[in-house]
Amino acid sequence: GAVVSQHPSWVICKSGTSVKIECRSLDFQATTMFWYRQFPKQSLMLMATSNEGSKATYEQGVEKDKFLINHASLTLSTLTVTSAHPEDSSFYICSARARTEGTGELFFGEGSRLTVL
Amino acid sequence: DQQVKQNSPSLSVQEGRISILNCDYTNSMFDYFLWYKKYPAEGPTFLISISSIKDKNEDGRFTVFLNKSAKHLSLHIVPSQPGDSAVYFCAASRKTSYDKVIFGPGTSLSVIP
Repeated sequence: GAVVSQHPSWVICKSGTSVKIECRSLDFQATTMFWYRQFPKQSLMLMATSNEGSKATYEQGVEKDKFLINHASLTLSTLTVTSAHPEDSSFYICSARARTEGTGELFFGEGSRLTVL
Repeated sequence: DQQVKQNSPSLSVQEGRISILNCDYTNSMFDYFLWYKKYPAEGPTFLISISSIKDKNEDGRFTVFLNKSAKHLSLHIVPSQPGDSAVYFCAASRKTSYDKVIFGPGTSLSVIP
């Protein structure tokens, strides 16, 4: 099946620094990628929808200047957490949908655990 | 307003018995419904989906039933196995590739050996 790879899987950083997380679709072209955030024992919260070649669409309450999303190609989207603070510590997951219409299935990355000290 | 609801946050089932996970939705424009399984610290993995034009889809031990008039779907796992213990997310989407998938809050399934 389709594979989505996320990197890094685990990152620890100091407060005030920026962290970039990459999401790659390895064997298909993804017109749309989604970024989610999951707090412990809670559901996946959609942060933004990333469309190739255009600006990301952010969900209500998500700071676009804080969480920078770039979808520069059909196989790569990046999420940059700028000036990270301890409250940004979370599990970030990306997903991608294939270029052609299909069953609506999303393929998920392995997730990235961010810990801000 | 939560468009996809999973009213049971947790469910415990004996190994070998049937697990039934329920999901309700409010948006009649959804084209597809999907179930994802998630282990801690991992990304969700796709389990099974169903188109809005069908009422049942079966794949091995997993069967999804859709009742459009009631805006309700359910995932049946039979027989349940300890390895099925995970969080199950119900999700819904529209067919066009630019529409986002809406997830329910999840149900944590524990299969007791």
